[in-house]
Amino acid sequence: DAKTTQPPSMDCAEGRAANLPCNHSTISGNEYVYWYRQIHSQGPQYIIHGLKNNETNEMASLIITEDRKSSTLILPHATLRDTAVYYCIVRDINTDKLIFGTGTRLQVFP
Amino acid sequence: GAGVSQSPRYKVAKRGQDVALRCDPISGHVSLFWYQQALGQGPEFLTYFQNEAQLDKSGLPSDRFFAERPEGSVSTLKIQRTQQEDSAVYLCASSFPGQGTDTQYFGPGTRLTVL
Repeated sequence: DAKTTQPPSMDCAEGRAANLPCNHSTISGNEYVYWYRQIHSQGPQYIIHGLKNNETNEMASLIITEDRKSSTLILPHATLRDTAVYYCIVRDINTDKLIFGTGTRLQVFP
Repeated sequence: GAGVSQSPRYKVAKRGQDVALRCDPISGHVSLFWYQQALGQGPEFLTYFQNEAQLDKSGLPSDRFFAERPEGSVSTLKIQRTQQEDSAVYLCASSFPGQGTDTQYFGPGTRLTVL
């Protein structure tokens, strides 16, 4: 079973920041937080991952709370092409498989 | 560079037929994964290879499902005697293992419809 809880859907205006929350209250010390997204009719796409420090790359920023029980994925300037289902995944460092939940469907509108 | 490719992209089968789904991973990627995604759900793990060795097949739903990767590159997922509940998108992913945080790169999937 997925170890994360996400809202089923969110809306965001184009050009604004999209903040997608994720709860992972049972996360353990050797588990990473991963984010993937899936645009309609495509395979999932890796976005970012982190352990306990905040992370930023060209796609997004990942903010992890100090107790690691929750995190937020930030898309700083959402575009229509960011409309997708976003999956927050907790992954054990010793486990190869990804365990997806049902994700958050983000709709970016003009 | 080329990503993960899968073929066919769409497959329609009559119930009871056997199907074979192909995955071409990114060149040099050692690890290969198969996932099944039902409509409206997130992907679910089926099986995992490291080179030609199948290290985890705990997600295969029944003995009708069989996967192989004989030369450690291309992989085939075979479903025997297909049933309607097998209708789903089958996703393949590959990665080059690092320190347990390697990124999985997904193909576009094969949409299987069993009539």
